[in-house]
Amino acid sequence: AQTVTQSQPEMSVQEAETVTLSCTYDTSENNYYLFWYKQPPSRQMILVIRQEAYKQQNATENRFSVNFQKAAKSFSLKISDSQLGDTAMYFCAFMRGSGGSNYKLTFGKGTLLTVNP
Amino acid sequence: NAGVTQTPKFRVLKTGQSMTLLCAQDMNHEYMYWYRQDPGMGLRLIHYSVGEGTTAKGEVPDGYNVSRLKKQNFLLGLESAAPSQTSVYFCASSYLKSTYGTEAFFGQGTRLTVV
Repeated sequence: AQTVTQSQPEMSVQEAETVTLSCTYDTSENNYYLFWYKQPPSRQMILVIRQEAYKQQNATENRFSVNFQKAAKSFSLKISDSQLGDTAMYFCAFMRGSGGSNYKLTFGKGTLLTVNP
Repeated sequence: NAGVTQTPKFRVLKTGQSMTLLCAQDMNHEYMYWYRQDPGMGLRLIHYSVGEGTTAKGEVPDGYNVSRLKKQNFLLGLESAAPSQTSVYFCASSYLKSTYGTEAFFGQGTRLTVV
């Protein structure tokens, strides 16, 4: 079974600074997807960024980027120029890519990020 | 743009009562999921469905049943609610295949309290 580990239960950062959230995963698969989801106080789950395992290039979405290290099974999220609206719980998630009944998302326990003014 | 809609948003149940949570999606997604979210536990998969008429157990299925009679709906039932089922429940759905990976879209969540 796949497992996803987020070792930082809580983090804080000053507005406009950069912060990195860690995520490691365990799998024997070669084809899979990785995601970061954001959950603000509204409780809505919002996709931040995704990465396909077969792509070596790290995904980037505006101020959000990832550092994907496939051999180390590491998938960290970097938030640049942090904004107050980035305050949220962040979840790392893993999905197998081999089809059939395997498209279920496995989540880490989350990292609560607080951006301070 | 309805996306994934869950009803109800809040519910208080007494121990032993039953209820059904409804999830509806209008994106023609094949996959649908039910998760529960508890503090410090992340989201844990209860049951999921890979298509109309099919369901499968996730990692925490005990005490829950599901049905997917129509492609767009996925129902989660609690036959005899227990305080341990107090949680926030999320429904999600995704395509079978996607150029961008099988991104899951989530409902807004249902906060259930069992007293």
